[in-house]
Amino acid sequence: DTGVSQDPRHKITKRGQNVTFRCDPISEHNRLYWYRQTLGQGPEFLTYFQNEAQLEKSRLLSDRFSAERPKGSFSTLEIQRTEQGDSAMYLCASSLYNRLIENTGELFFGEGSRLTVL
Amino acid sequence: GENVEQHPSTLSVQEGDSAVIKCTYSDSASNYFPWYKQELGKGPQLIIDIRSNVGEKKDQRIAVTLNKTAKHFSLHITETQPEDSAVYFCAASGSSSASKIIFGSGTRLSIRP
Repeated sequence: DTGVSQDPRHKITKRGQNVTFRCDPISEHNRLYWYRQTLGQGPEFLTYFQNEAQLEKSRLLSDRFSAERPKGSFSTLEIQRTEQGDSAMYLCASSLYNRLIENTGELFFGEGSRLTVL
Repeated sequence: GENVEQHPSTLSVQEGDSAVIKCTYSDSASNYFPWYKQELGKGPQLIIDIRSNVGEKKDQRIAVTLNKTAKHFSLHITETQPEDSAVYFCAASGSSSASKIIFGSGTRLSIRP
């Protein structure tokens, strides 16, 4: 399977604990995005990377959230001191960006990591 | 920043009829408008997109229209089939390179047999 993979698919944790999610993008894709989705809502942008550089981070994102993409391949999203309001589906997506050619901008999403904070 | 409004939130149509979902956006600089379909337990998947230099695009039973002046865009599905049942999201971005795609809140489409 050469799609975007996310791990774990489900995580249940107690309030105050730290959690980390991993995303493996499509191998040739240089851009990687994190979105958060709650029930009945659309994906909410969190942050994105081009290669290993974090190019944008949502102003709504708490300092408890941090994301890395150290080698420009897989990425991790860590949530420290989790709160019940962090319960959501965390979606990762990747895309291939090349400014020299016309690009559809299509995001390829993984199936998400569902977080439940008790 | 960009804000995308989508309606209706739920839509039920008879199989074979057409479905229309409408969206508005706030940032006049947005020039790329994709539509994604999300099935239960899966991530969203692109079904069609349109850029601001065209007013309409069609792909088999799916068409999108864009009115830049009014900042409106719509998804039209004709001859609906049971497999069209899903949640549909419109989205907008400031460039076709997808630097940051902002999504609407979604429309749950149900096809009645």
